Amino acid sequence: EDKVVQSPLSLVVHEGDTVTLNCSYEVTNFRSLLWYKQEKKAPTFLFMLTSSGIEKKSGRLSSILDKKELFSILNITATQTGDSAIYLCAVEAPSVSNYQLIWGAGTKLIIKP
Amino acid sequence: KAGVTQTPRYLIKTRGQQVTLSCSPISGHRSVSWYQQTPGQGLQFLFEYFSETQRNKGNFPGRFSGRQFSNSRSEMNVSTLELGDSALYLCASSLSGGVRAFFGQGTRLTVV
Repeated sequence: EDKVVQSPLSLVVHEGDTVTLNCSYEVTNFRSLLWYKQEKKAPTFLFMLTSSGIEKKSGRLSSILDKKELFSILNITATQTGDSAIYLCAVEAPSVSNYQLIWGAGTKLIIKP
Repeated sequence: KAGVTQTPRYLIKTRGQQVTLSCSPISGHRSVSWYQQTPGQGLQFLFEYFSETQRNKGNFPGRFSGRQFSNSRSEMNVSTLELGDSALYLCASSLSGGVRAFFGQGTRLTVV
């Protein structure tokens, strides 16, 4: 059965710290991996990764994919209280008639001032 | 342009009742997916509609159903509500399905 596992489930750090969130997957016919940030209710798109070893970067956030070891990491440097959110990882995998996203349970990140 | 709109935002229902949730996708988007989110469980896929046809379905009982209209708006119905159906229900729209979906704010359903 296809699955996506995120770790840790929750994390509390202080402002200015660097954090690394993990996402491992066991998915047949992997197509892409996506990271979303969920602050209140609506998850918002961060990154899509399809190729191994190529880092995607946006400001203080960056992510990389390792297709050999089947995982991805999301790094946040110089964290701010506004980074507090649930970070969701999803893997695109084939379904009966199309592709669908298989989601991890998320990492709840709390940044203390 | 307007984002994905879900109504209502909050709902309280009694066990055994039924409920209908609505999702209006971004203009031009033809795919609408529905998810159930409960604490610690992540997003559980319910179903996806594309051009008024259900294209994918998750592992939920038949009490959960949906439909999509010709203007791409979608509704989700849950019959015979159970306490365990209490959750945040999110819908996401995209041009043709799959990646880069845009989410609505969700409907928080509480079953008492």
